[in-house]
Amino acid sequence: ELKVEQNPLFLSMQEGKNYTIYCNYSTTSDRLYWYRQDPGKSLESLFVLLSNGAVKQEGRLMASLDTKARLSTLHITAAVHDLSATYFCAVDLAGSSNTGKLIFGQGTTLQVKP
Amino acid sequence: KAGVTQTPRYLIKTRGQQVTLSCSPISGHRSVSWYQQTPGQGLQFLFEYFSETQRNKGNFPGRFSGRQFSNSRSEMNVSTLELGDSALYLCASSYQGRGLFFGSGTQLSVL
Repeated sequence: ELKVEQNPLFLSMQEGKNYTIYCNYSTTSDRLYWYRQDPGKSLESLFVLLSNGAVKQEGRLMASLDTKARLSTLHITAAVHDLSATYFCAVDLAGSSNTGKLIFGQGTTLQVKP
Repeated sequence: KAGVTQTPRYLIKTRGQQVTLSCSPISGHRSVSWYQQTPGQGLQFLFEYFSETQRNKGNFPGRFSGRQFSNSRSEMNVSTLELGDSALYLCASSYQGRGLFFGSGTQLSVL
C-alpha cells in the first residue's frame, strides 16, 4: 500500500527565514504533486514533478524530487506571511499517472510570523 | 476558462438522510475525481470517473456512489448518512495526467 508521509506537520517560522518541508513515499510513483490549501478554501496546484532530479521554482517556493530516495522537498526561501497555509504533497501509483487517484500526505501547516 | 464548479457549497443533513453533490469539471476535462477531507483522516480518494465509467475506487462503503454524465459533469451520492460522513467533499478534474484541479468543495455537516 502506498503511503505518503510529510514532516513536519506543523511549522511556525519567522518572516525572512528559510525552511524545508519533507515528503516521503513508500513505493514507486510516476509523479509527485504539491498543493497549497488556505483555511476554508480548496487546493491550489503548486508543482508537478515528473522525473528524478526534477526541480521547479515559483517565487519563494522550490520543489525537488529524488525518486531513488522516494523523497520530495518543498523549500521556502525568506518566508513571508502570505505563505501561511497548509501544504500537501501527493503521489500517484506507478503506471496510473493519467488517472485522478492520488495519495496525499497529512499536510504541513505553515505559520509565518512577522 | 472556468474552473471546477461544485454545488452546493454547504449542506446540513441529519443522520439517515441521503445527499447528492454535484461537480462540473473544467471544459475539456473528461476525468472527475472525488475526495473526502476530514481533520482526522486527511484527504482520502473516493472514486474517479472517466467517460461515464468508474475508473478507480477508494476504500469507502457502498453508501458512497457516483456517476458521470455525457457532458462530464459528475454527481456523488451518500445514502444513509452517518455522523462520520461530515466532511469537506472535493471534486477535481484532470486532463492527461497534468495534475488535479480542485473545486471549492461542498462542506457537509451531518447532525
